[in-house]
Amino acid sequence: ETGVTQTPRHLVMGMTNKKSLKCEQHLGHNAMYWYKQSAKKPLELMFVYNFKEQTENNSVPSRFSPECPNSSHLFLHLHTLQPEDSALYLCASSHLQQNTEAFFGQGTRLTVV
Amino acid sequence: AQKITQTQPGMFVQEKEAVTLDCTYDTSDPSYGLFWYKQPSSGEMIFLIYQGSYDQQNATEGRYSLNFQKARKSANLVISASQLGDSAMYFCAMREVNTNAGKSTFGDGTTLTVKP
Repeated sequence: ETGVTQTPRHLVMGMTNKKSLKCEQHLGHNAMYWYKQSAKKPLELMFVYNFKEQTENNSVPSRFSPECPNSSHLFLHLHTLQPEDSALYLCASSHLQQNTEAFFGQGTRLTVV
Repeated sequence: AQKITQTQPGMFVQEKEAVTLDCTYDTSDPSYGLFWYKQPSSGEMIFLIYQGSYDQQNATEGRYSLNFQKARKSANLVISASQLGDSAMYFCAMREVNTNAGKSTFGDGTTLTVKP
């Protein structure tokens, strides 16, 4: 248990569905991240939130929509996804001012059918 | 230029032997941290060990140690007395304090298989 909780752990959705991934941390961190990890590909940083403000969007398609209502919660809203979006989505948090490790959630394994 | 390079896509080690996973990095920021994570097949990323750029001693955590060679910009992970449960993907990562907005940059990973 790392202190970062992601739900759901597994998700199967159709291309016309709308779903949301949730991430929660109670570590007092002020930065949160979404990563995508596809099979046989390196970890891709999708979004960065510092103090609830989005500071980075790495050319992520608009069918992925992040939301950070407070520094403890992070969502990734999904709509009209494609099969190639099937991947492991990892949430992480860290303390921006401290050069310490990022803590990761257990990930959501998403399958788009 | 890639900031973190892991040159070994896959490694095999005999149970109870030691193994070294390579990592080189590239940064001009004088202040940075280097991290190793383990990712088993379940998917979670487990933090293993941290080395700060100003640390004089190599970091150690149980069976894990980090061979930090600052001049060579390398941060190799050494796992001693390998166990079957060590079979996983291992990622080297870096956080630059003054640049890159404090984000972690990850290498492509090394898949370690421990043979009985």
